[in-house]
Amino acid sequence: KAGVTQTPRYLIKTRGQQVTLSCSPISGHRSVSWYQQTPGQGLQFLFEYFSETQRNKGNFPGRFSGRQFSNSRSEMNVSTLELGDSALYLCASGGLEYNEQFFGPGTRLTVL
Amino acid sequence: AQSVTQLGSHVSVSEGALVLLRCNYSSSVPPYLFWYVQYPNQGLQLLLKYTSAATLVKGINGFEAEFKKSETSFHLTKPSAHMSDAAEYFCAVSYTGTASKLTFGTGTRLQVTL
Repeated sequence: KAGVTQTPRYLIKTRGQQVTLSCSPISGHRSVSWYQQTPGQGLQFLFEYFSETQRNKGNFPGRFSGRQFSNSRSEMNVSTLELGDSALYLCASGGLEYNEQFFGPGTRLTVL
Repeated sequence: AQSVTQLGSHVSVSEGALVLLRCNYSSSVPPYLFWYVQYPNQGLQLLLKYTSAATLVKGINGFEAEFKKSETSFHLTKPSAHMSDAAEYFCAVSYTGTASKLTFGTGTRLQVTL
């Protein structure tokens, strides 16, 4: 069974631009969560989608948004990029019992 | 706010020695608890989880952890360290009744020396 896939793996943007990251969960998983990892703030929860609906949300500004499609694939969008948005963005999918999450390899975003 | 604390940002052990990575959570309500490992330039791999069943949890690669409610702890141990165990380890907690909305500790970097 294929794991969680994230595209692209690396991305370089400049301040003020917007970016869209993509995540494909494990087949059959309906929950997708997004996390931001930075050296200063560590791992922080962004939001979670389940069956195309946002179920949980972390404490991030409205520039961070997401959505989930009917095939459970999810996208995360960050508008008006700031230098501080440089991070590893991790996606995780949850199984049927939803008592564990499986993480993808992440997308490394660099904002110049 | 509910949180999880990992004592020691860096731990160094000799190959073959006991590995002990500490994790404490803040709530009196038993949460779901997880240990993840992260190798350089990779995502997170689940080592083990506690979801209100057995308090001694065995995971992959010889790791185990014991949930101690009285101490609000969930320390990770491995009897004998191997060079391949060198990585960063994260303790995480969820209070949603599922594995969602994880709150992570700050991580412990494990170094294994010869």
